Order: sequence, then structure tokens, then C-alpha cells
Amino acid sequence: QKEVEQNSGPLSVPEGAIASLNCTYSDRGSQSFFWYRQYSGKSPELIMSIYSNGDKEDGRFTAQLNKASQYVSLLIRDSQPSDSATYLCAVNEDSGYALNFGKGTSLLVTP
Amino acid sequence: EAQVTQNPRYLITVTGKKLTVTCSQNMNHEYMSWYRQDPGLGLRQIYYSMNVEVTDKGDVPEGYKVSRKEKRNFPLILESPSPNQTSLYFCASSRRRDGGYTFGSGTRLTVV
Repeated sequence: QKEVEQNSGPLSVPEGAIASLNCTYSDRGSQSFFWYRQYSGKSPELIMSIYSNGDKEDGRFTAQLNKASQYVSLLIRDSQPSDSATYLCAVNEDSGYALNFGKGTSLLVTP
Repeated sequence: EAQVTQNPRYLITVTGKKLTVTCSQNMNHEYMSWYRQDPGLGLRQIYYSMNVEVTDKGDVPEGYKVSRKEKRNFPLILESPSPNQTSLYFCASSRRRDGGYTFGSGTRLTVV
């Protein structure tokens, strides 16, 4: 299995701040990258996908991809207490069929 | 509403008693997958399917079987469950080979 690494956290940020979540992966041939949000006791929810180097913005979320460094990040601007959750990084293997997940980073946004 | 439906949501069973967890999607997705989620281990892929009658093993397939006789359904079968299969199971589907998955609500299985 190809590795997907994330800091487990918890990452604590004050309300209104920028939360920065990071992920590294081992499969150099990977082409598809995803960020999921998972609230406690709930299923993962897809929030961002990114396929090309650079930044992709969607509302308060920005995904950043650097394939040369094998690094994916997620920025959450104007963090809200409702953003408190575990964020999972997922990477498609080069073959395209296996989607490997990191163990997730727990984010706590404090009022 | 587009969704992935799993049943049951909760199941307690005894060692060795065969069980099936059903999964159905109404989005006409070709790709479907089963994951288990365990504390400290994260989400691990059990099996995936690329289309009807086409399935392959993921990272932790031992003790599980799947079938894909219809595009919408992808049941997970535990023929002789053991306590180490106690876990939270998710079914997921995707329209594209390299697309993100939509997850079902999960099945919490306890094997005693």
C-alpha cells in the first residue's frame, strides 16, 4: 500500500483564523488528490479535489498541490467552530482504482 | 436524492455466523468500494469494483467477500465473522476512475 501521511493533531485554531492542514504521499505517480471532512460518528464528506499543481479555491477552502514535493495541503480561511472535525487526505494510486487515506488530522476551532 | 445506502446501520453478531451488509447507490456510478475504519488505523480499503462482475482486492480483503451482479448494488459478505472484524464499515461509490468517492452512512459491526 502506498503511504499517505498526516499529522494527527489536534490542531487548535481560534475562530476567524486560517487553519492549515498538510499531507504527504509516497506514490510519485499519483494524479488525483482529495480532502474529506469527517465529523465524529459520521461518514467522510468530500470537500475538495485537486488534480494539477497549484492552488484550487472553493469558498473558504483552498487546496494546494505540489507533485514534485509529493505534498498536498488544505487551507481553511475564517475558521468557524462548525469546522471542528477530522480532515482526511486521500490519494488515488497510479493505477487509479485504489484510493488510499491518511489517518486524518483533528481540527478544533475555538470560539 | 443522490446517495449511497447501507444496511444495517448497527449489527451485533456472534463469531462464525455469516452476515451480509448491503450497499446500494442511485447515482449510476461504475466504481464502488468498501472500507473499514478503525481507531489509529484510519480508513482501509477492503474491496473495490470497477463495474458489474469486475472486483478486486484492496489492502485488507482477508475474511471478506463481495459481489457486483448489478451496477447499483455491492454487498459485503462475512462468511465466518471473527472479533477482529469488529469495525465501522463504509461503502462508497464514484462516477470516475479517478474521482472522489461518495460515502454511505456506515455500518457499525460488533462480533462477539
